[in-house]
Amino acid sequence: GAGVSQTPSNKVTEKGKYVELRCDPISGHTALYWYRQSLGQGPEFLIYFQGTGAADDSGLPNDRFFAVRPEGSVSTLKIQRTERGDSAVYLCASRGPNTGELFFGEGSRLTVL
Amino acid sequence: AQTVTQSQPEMSVQEAETVTLSCTYDTSENNYYLFWYKQPPSRQMILVIRQEAYKQQNATENRFSVNFQKAAKSFSLKISDSQLGDTAMYFCAFMKHEYSGAGSYQLTFGKGTKLSVIP
Repeated sequence: GAGVSQTPSNKVTEKGKYVELRCDPISGHTALYWYRQSLGQGPEFLIYFQGTGAADDSGLPNDRFFAVRPEGSVSTLKIQRTERGDSAVYLCASRGPNTGELFFGEGSRLTVL
Repeated sequence: AQTVTQSQPEMSVQEAETVTLSCTYDTSENNYYLFWYKQPPSRQMILVIRQEAYKQQNATENRFSVNFQKAAKSFSLKISDSQLGDTAMYFCAFMKHEYSGAGSYQLTFGKGTKLSVIP
């Protein structure tokens, strides 16, 4: 596609539920990133994929968070047993080869009640 | 680890005037990139301007320019002839230079400055 696409745009869920957030990167971009932006804060790094593999998952806060990218394009961020503190905007970005510029999607706003 | 500090949570400017947003950072790296991103209510982070640390010349992009002071680890953004469409959150960000080309190119962001352009 022309840009990074994220779905859903907004997600409201109850504490304890499981959620999936999807990211469709720019076609041909091998690098994909997930960031979390809490209210009033800048985005914080969660995980980075190069192709199908997670090259750096040091930003994932705990084992309730998991992300996959099975075919090297679309990625899904999965959050188990959601907590109110997980409420945030989850941003996805992709990057083409041999360039330092990240292109961001419009994010998925997650609200945990 | 790198840190990025934006000390101005909110700023306002009259339309057509000039405003400067501040950013300082801390790093032990010698080669890196610095960015200013704009985030309107749509939430999408839009790249405004980019500076390579090895370049002494300050980057400019139309009405946007930076004042990069490497020794002071300062990277401010100047917006000239402010327009209503400039109203947004502005984030300063740091990226370590990846010599091998195989690095993560991970961004570290500040907390942002909310800019309001007043008609």
